[in-house]
Amino acid sequence: DAKTTQPPSMDCAEGRAANLPCNHSTISGNEYVYWYRQIHSQGPQYIIHGLKNNETNEMASLIITEDRKSSTLILPHATLRDTAVYYCIVRPFTGGGNKLTFGTGTQLKVEL
Amino acid sequence: NAGVMQNPRHLVRRRGQEARLRCSPMKGHSHVYWYRQLPEEGLKFMVYLQKENIIDESGMPKERFSAEFPKEGPSILRIQQVVRGDSAAYFCASSRRQDYEQYFGPGTRLTVT
Repeated sequence: DAKTTQPPSMDCAEGRAANLPCNHSTISGNEYVYWYRQIHSQGPQYIIHGLKNNETNEMASLIITEDRKSSTLILPHATLRDTAVYYCIVRPFTGGGNKLTFGTGTQLKVEL
Repeated sequence: NAGVMQNPRHLVRRRGQEARLRCSPMKGHSHVYWYRQLPEEGLKFMVYLQKENIIDESGMPKERFSAEFPKEGPSILRIQQVVRGDSAAYFCASSRRQDYEQYFGPGTRLTVT
C-alpha cells in the first residue's frame, strides 16, 4: 500500500475551518484515499473516502489534487468535539484491499 | 441501527490466563477485522474474517492468538496464556463488502496483571 505523510499536529480555532493535509505521492491508480479519526482512545470513526473526485458528506469534504499525490480533509466549522487524531489511509479497492494501515496521523486540537 | 458491538469493554487477566474478546458486526455486515493498539502506539491490523473463514491473518502473532467468526454468533478473538505485553486496546471493525468502508467498535481494553 502507498505510504502517507501527515503533519504530526495542528491547531484550529473553534468555528473555523480545519484543513488537514496528506501527502500520498506513490498512490496507485487502484487506490482510494480514506480518512478516519480517533477521539481519545475511542474506536476509529470513518469520515470519508474518495478516488479522484472531490467528495462531501455531512461530516467533511475531501479535496484530492488532480495528480492524486495529495489530498486535504476539510472540517468546515470545527468544534471542540472534533479534537482527535486524524488518519489519512491509502487502500486498494481490489486485490487485497482488506486491511487498513494506520500511520501516526495528525493530532488536531480545536481551541476556543 | 446499532453499530459494531464489543464486549467486554474492559478485561483484566492475570498472566497465564485466557482472554476472550467478542465482536458483533453491524447488521448486514459479513466481514470482520481485528486491530490492536498497544499503549502509545498506532493501530495495527491483526486478522480479517468472513463467516466461518479466515481470509487474512498476516498481522496475527504466530502463537497464542486465534480468531473465529462462526456461522452463528459473534466473532471471537482468543488469547491464550496472556502476558503483560498483550495489554492493549483491541478494536473490531466490520464492513458490508471487503472493499467497503470499515466501521469500528468501541474496543476492549485488556489489562494483564
